[in-house]
Amino acid sequence: GAGVSQSPSNKVTEKGKDVELRCDPISGHTALYWYRQSLGQGLEFLIYFQGNSAPDKSGLPSDRFSAERTGGSVSTLTIQRTQQEDSAVYLCASSSDRSGQYFGPGTRLTVT
Amino acid sequence: AQTVTQSQPEMSVQEAETVTLSCTYDTSESDYYLFWYKQPPSRQMILVIRQEAYKQQNATENRFSVNFQKAAKSFSLKISDSQLGDAAMYFCAYLGYGGSQGNLIFGKGTKLSVKP
Repeated sequence: GAGVSQSPSNKVTEKGKDVELRCDPISGHTALYWYRQSLGQGLEFLIYFQGNSAPDKSGLPSDRFSAERTGGSVSTLTIQRTQQEDSAVYLCASSSDRSGQYFGPGTRLTVT
Repeated sequence: AQTVTQSQPEMSVQEAETVTLSCTYDTSESDYYLFWYKQPPSRQMILVIRQEAYKQQNATENRFSVNFQKAAKSFSLKISDSQLGDAAMYFCAYLGYGGSQGNLIFGKGTKLSVKP
């Protein structure tokens, strides 16, 4: 079946602009995760959605970051007023249980 | 808080040889999952192998196997008959067994090079 998809693959934006990153999880997976991968910080957890429960936002680095998941499927990560330190690869993953998370190809965000 | 440590930033192996990547972790939980993920230059994270802490038997997936030492909190990955396609970043990751926390905790990664 289809894996996790993310769009866009690459995004270049100017400092101060807002960006939206999209994730389409594997069909039927109830859990969805966003991570950020940067050279200096490695892989960081951002936010976790599980079914209809309130999301775990404990990894969001600032209030400029937000995410939503509509209809228990597609998720959008929004970064407002982007800063250069937001430049990173943003990875989305989904899972049906704790036996493994399956990742998308990521979105490379470059803030100029 | 749980932590995962990969002490080898880079490793190299000759094609067809065997290599072992190290991972240690720290946790106060008794039940948890451990994973190895592979990230080639395409940046897609691929699940290589998983181990449930309550299982004493080491997991094996084709040429990939782990050496899980629960008391020592060690979880190494052995790649046998290395192939050029094995060249990638390898990440060790931890996941608690229950509760509301669902995110993986990753090590910093080991870059594996395979020499022809």
